[in-house]
Amino acid sequence: GQNIDQPTEMTATEGAIVQINCTYQTSGFNGLFWYQQHAGEAPTFLSYNVLDGLEEKGRFSSFLSRSKGYSYLLLKELQMKDSASYLCAVMDSNYQLIWGAGTKLIIKP
Amino acid sequence: ETGVTQTPRHLVMGMTNKKSLKCEQHLGHNAMYWYKQSAKKPLELMFVYNFKEQTENNSVPSRFSPECPNSSHLFLHLHTLQPEDSALYLCASSPETSGSYNEQFFGPGTRLTVL
Repeated sequence: GQNIDQPTEMTATEGAIVQINCTYQTSGFNGLFWYQQHAGEAPTFLSYNVLDGLEEKGRFSSFLSRSKGYSYLLLKELQMKDSASYLCAVMDSNYQLIWGAGTKLIIKP
Repeated sequence: ETGVTQTPRHLVMGMTNKKSLKCEQHLGHNAMYWYKQSAKKPLELMFVYNFKEQTENNSVPSRFSPECPNSSHLFLHLHTLQPEDSALYLCASSPETSGSYNEQFFGPGTRLTVL
């Protein structure tokens, strides 16, 4: 079966750095997405990785290792507004998105 | 209006009611999706439409009935639901249903409670 694993919840301090991991087992791979979802709001796109390596976008970076079935989202200089759920999703060989359950990130002052 | 809109934002219904959820996208996309999001569970894909044609039905019970009159509008008709159907229902759109970099844009969702 297809499976995406990510931690259920993480806590970090304002101004710090946090890394949210995602491991996957899917039938085929056509890219990995990270989305951010604030409580009661729509998920919004953060990043897309299809090749191995690090993609940096401001305070957020996303890393992919296809051979290990592994990705992480790195958030730097954490702000209170970064408190949200972070969803990892993999596009399989049929171009369907397989979703993880999301990681709830709590930022403390 | 921009992006993907959904109405209503909140809905409470009894098990014998019939109601409909509406989704509209203003992005010129050809593909639209219905997802169910339950607490602490992955997003569950329910239906996919591409150019108004249904291309995916992930074993969804018949008490959920989708309708896609055109590429910009998507409905989810609900009847005789069960309490376990209470969840956040998200609509999304994307340029197409295939192709690697096919970012999906989500609406804010309808929070459904079935009593």
